[in-house]
Amino acid sequence: EAEVAQSPRYKITEKSQAVAFWCDPISGHATLYWYRQILGQGPELLVQFQDESVVDDSQLPKDRFSAERLKGVDSTLKIQPAELGDSAMYLCASSLGVAGELFFGEGSRLTVL
Amino acid sequence: AQSVTQLGSHVSVSEGALVLLRCNYSSSVPPYLFWYVQYPNQGLQLLLKYTTGATLVKGINGFEAEFKKSETSFHLTKPSAHMSDAAEYFCAVSRQGGSEKLVFGKGTKLTVNP
Repeated sequence: EAEVAQSPRYKITEKSQAVAFWCDPISGHATLYWYRQILGQGPELLVQFQDESVVDDSQLPKDRFSAERLKGVDSTLKIQPAELGDSAMYLCASSLGVAGELFFGEGSRLTVL
Repeated sequence: AQSVTQLGSHVSVSEGALVLLRCNYSSSVPPYLFWYVQYPNQGLQLLLKYTTGATLVKGINGFEAEFKKSETSFHLTKPSAHMSDAAEYFCAVSRQGGSEKLVFGKGTKLTVNP
């Protein structure tokens, strides 16, 4: 069964360092999402791509976060510099565009010390 | 703006008992509604969804939910809980459309006691 791949699964970094997360969606899925899930909260959308174009990045803190999906396939989410409040699970999901049917990866758990 | 409220951050039931997880939504337009499940250290998995048509929707693992417009609710139920149902459950809402973003609730953690 096809899955959304994410790496790394776990990342510990010190504040002010740079960190990057990678996501490989299910083949053929044109829509890709990055969500942030703080412990005890529901996922919050950071950025949505349709192919290589950003559809929604209204909740992305653009002073420190960036996301790209250069060839419309895999994607990278970067944080620079990391802050203590960035500690969270970063979830990638992909979709064929069927309403609400997102396929999530296992996530990348970030701890900022 | 759309939002969902999940009543009860923790629910505990005995194995074999009814599971009821509550979700109320707010939307200025007809919504699409979803329930997702998250097992520890894993991503989310779609349980079921309501878009249009029949208001009682059935999902995987014996779960079902009923869309009640008059009550702005979309509660999740399962007649008989199993130990393997222990997980966190998220209600979500979106506007009608194929690629509209999901807005998630804060989640309800379900514990199933033997």
